[in-house]
Amino acid sequence: EDQVTQSPEALRLQEGESSSLNCSYTVSGLRGLFWYRQDPGKGPEFLFTLYSAGEEKEKERLKATLTKKESFLHITAPKPEDSATYLCAVQGGSEKLVFGKGTKLTVNP
Amino acid sequence: GAGVSQSPSNKVTEKGKDVELRCDPISGHTALYWYRQSLGQGLEFLIYFQGNSAPDKSGLPSDRFSAERTGGSVSTLTIQRTQQEDSAVYLCASRYSGGASYEQYFGPGTRLTVT
Repeated sequence: EDQVTQSPEALRLQEGESSSLNCSYTVSGLRGLFWYRQDPGKGPEFLFTLYSAGEEKEKERLKATLTKKESFLHITAPKPEDSATYLCAVQGGSEKLVFGKGTKLTVNP
Repeated sequence: GAGVSQSPSNKVTEKGKDVELRCDPISGHTALYWYRQSLGQGLEFLIYFQGNSAPDKSGLPSDRFSAERTGGSVSTLTIQRTQQEDSAVYLCASRYSGGASYEQYFGPGTRLTVT
């Protein structure tokens, strides 16, 4: 059974303090690993797809990396507007996405 | 362009009543998914539609849950005889199936409260 574990559950940073979020996964036949951002009361917003170990993608202050067992979402010099819950999901042999429970990030000014 | 839309945004119902939740996918997206997000839980897959193929219903938690997709576009998720444990946010997502990417795009969700 495909599984995703995210850590930490919650993270508080000061503005400008860089850090990383972790997503550990087990999946049979990885078709893709996905990162989403979710703001309170809204649906998940797509950020990145990673397909194979060694792949990296960047968007503004965010950089996602992938190994065979985990993915990291690196946040460089975060701003208060980066505060949100970040969700990791994997897709294996079926069409469904299997999600972790998320990391709630708070960036204080 | 327009994203995935869902209605209603909020629904409060009494235990035992039936509810219908609606999803309008992104135009041109042939794949449509329903997920449920309960407090403190991750998103849980419910059902998947692709074109005219038979839906994948493997995630539906009980036979009180059903869904249909008319004309390959709009989808309705129906919950019969609602229970308090059905309270959750119901999210719809769609995906373009014609390319090599697999990302799903989500709507804003319907928050269902069963009293």
